[in-house]
Amino acid sequence: NAGVTQTPKFRVLKTGQSMTLLCAQDMNHEYMYWYRQDPGMGLRLIHYSVGEGTTAKGEVPDGYNVSRLKKQNFLLGLESAAPSQTSVYFCASSLPRQGTEAFFGQGTRLTVV
Amino acid sequence: EDQVTQSPEALRLQEGESSSLNCSYTVSGLRGLFWYRQDPGKGPEFLFTLYSAGEEKEKERLKATLTKKESFLHITAPKPEDSATYLCASASGSARQLTFGSGTQLTVLP
Repeated sequence: NAGVTQTPKFRVLKTGQSMTLLCAQDMNHEYMYWYRQDPGMGLRLIHYSVGEGTTAKGEVPDGYNVSRLKKQNFLLGLESAAPSQTSVYFCASSLPRQGTEAFFGQGTRLTVV
Repeated sequence: EDQVTQSPEALRLQEGESSSLNCSYTVSGLRGLFWYRQDPGKGPEFLFTLYSAGEEKEKERLKATLTKKESFLHITAPKPEDSATYLCASASGSARQLTFGSGTQLTVLP
């Protein structure tokens, strides 16, 4: 089982460039999430989705957009990258019912110069 | 606004020296208190979920407990392979979104 797979694993962008991070899960999970992790700040929720075709804002959504066209994929876009978006990005997925945990991908380390 | 605070930020133990990690939380509509382990360069790995005050769960050398305001992760006779960052998170909202603490970096010396 692959679980949650993130692509790419590393990326360096110049300020103003755009890119898309891809998250794919093979567990048939309804819920998917994007978090960013910065030193000393823990993981913070960017956007999430409760099902195909639906998205919602999390704690730190500014500068990011998301799309969930297929149940197994959740895309995170940066339209015009800024140095403040240098971070490690984690995707997660879960089932909707109580008693189940979120599964995380291995992360994407993004540096904006 | 949900808040999760973990202490200490870092903890160094000798192998076999038991200790506890603290997680205090302020959440409206708690839908679970989660503990994760994170190794360097990897994503968080699930350890435990707790739902109600008084609940306890154990796995090998780890035991998690929950009160109305705090959760503790007790580590009994730790080994060097227990070295990692331990994350606490509360779940709330329609999608059980997680609010994370900043983690406790545990180092167990042989």
